[in-house]
Amino acid sequence: AAGVIQSPRHLIKEKRETATLKCYPIPRHDTVYWYQQGPGQDPQFLISFYEKMQSDKGSIPDRFSAQQFSDYHSELNMSSLELGDSALYFCASSPSRTSGRGDTGELFFGEGSRLTVL
Amino acid sequence: AQRVTQPEKLLSVFKGAPVELKCNYSYSGSPELFWYVQYSRQRLQLLLRHISRESIKGFTADLNKGETSFHLKKPFAQEEDSAMYYCALKRRGNEKLTFGTGTRLTIIP
Repeated sequence: AAGVIQSPRHLIKEKRETATLKCYPIPRHDTVYWYQQGPGQDPQFLISFYEKMQSDKGSIPDRFSAQQFSDYHSELNMSSLELGDSALYFCASSPSRTSGRGDTGELFFGEGSRLTVL
Repeated sequence: AQRVTQPEKLLSVFKGAPVELKCNYSYSGSPELFWYVQYSRQRLQLLLRHISRESIKGFTADLNKGETSFHLKKPFAQEEDSAMYYCALKRRGNEKLTFGTGTRLTIIP
């Protein structure tokens, strides 16, 4: 079965550069979530989208922005990168509870994009 | 704000011994609790949820509202249980998950 696809899997950037991560949800999932997991840390919620609109916002820095496109894929844009942005960035998707496609509460995760800022 | 605590970062258990991974939460409302697992080189995936009251791979977890706990248990550990386990909470009506810090379980052959 198709899973959540994230690209790139690995990315190396220097300080003050920009980076873009992409997430392709499972087909017919209309909700996308972004999480950031620093070394030895728990995944921290950044932001989520439902039907191309931001649905919730967590600890996302102002230097970061994200959006969901008409095909439901999402992109996380990170500017003025700092050393502390080095982390594993997870994307997850789920069918909306109002979509009638199931109410399991389960999130389906991608394998993550590992960003290293030098 | 909700919070999930997993007091053990590392847990080693002999094969065949019982396993208990602790999870406590703080949330004033009625939460939904989950256990997610990440096996080596695999993506984070759902193990079980409290609503379904099911046993998955021999694991069970009971929501104790009085103690605000959702400990994960298995009577007899197997080597393939070695993984990173995250307890997670979801507020009703809000779909994002709040994760605990995770427990790395190692089963000793």
